[in-house]
Amino acid sequence: SQQGEEDPQALSIQEGENATMNCSYKTSINNLQWYRQNSGRGLVHLILIRSNEREKHSGRLRVTLDTSKKSSSLLITASRAADTASYFCATEGTSGSRLTFGEGTQLTVNP
Amino acid sequence: NAGVMQNPRHLVRRRGQEARLRCSPMKGHSHVYWYRQLPEEGLKFMVYLQKENIIDESGMPKERFSAEFPKEGPSILRIQQVVRGDSAAYFCASSPRDGEKLFFGSGTQLSVL
Repeated sequence: SQQGEEDPQALSIQEGENATMNCSYKTSINNLQWYRQNSGRGLVHLILIRSNEREKHSGRLRVTLDTSKKSSSLLITASRAADTASYFCATEGTSGSRLTFGEGTQLTVNP
Repeated sequence: NAGVMQNPRHLVRRRGQEARLRCSPMKGHSHVYWYRQLPEEGLKFMVYLQKENIIDESGMPKERFSAEFPKEGPSILRIQQVVRGDSAAYFCASSPRDGEKLFFGSGTQLSVL
């Protein structure tokens, strides 16, 4: 199994602070993706990083990928209350095209 | 371009009944995925389909569950003789091709009484 595992399970910070979430996986991947889910809603894609990339930016998001350690991190800078959500990493393995999701990190940004 | 459409949004069934969940992918997307999510948990892969073909059903329970994606019309996830343990949120996602990001629907919340 190459299920992603997010760390921490829950994170509570103040507005303006940075939030860092980590993801570890077990087998070789084609790409790793981060998604966000607001309570009771579907997932929204945030960013995709391919196995030959080490870092990607999108607005206030920064994602890193270390394939030697089989880990990724998602950094949200200058957090806002509206960033409160669950964040999931998902991996696409080299042997198939389905995404395998982790259990998620629940981020709470306090105003 | 409408997003991924799932219906119904909520479905209540009694034990032993059948549940049919529908998913219309985004226009131009030929890859459909079904996931199940229990409260406070991540998404568990169920099945991956392309038009008229099941590509990967390794996450589907062997009995009572089936999925299809016909040439015309939405993808259907069918659960026969539902049990309380089937209660969950079922999400459908689509993509235009392999290796691309997924676009998710809002999900169907199935409650089995």
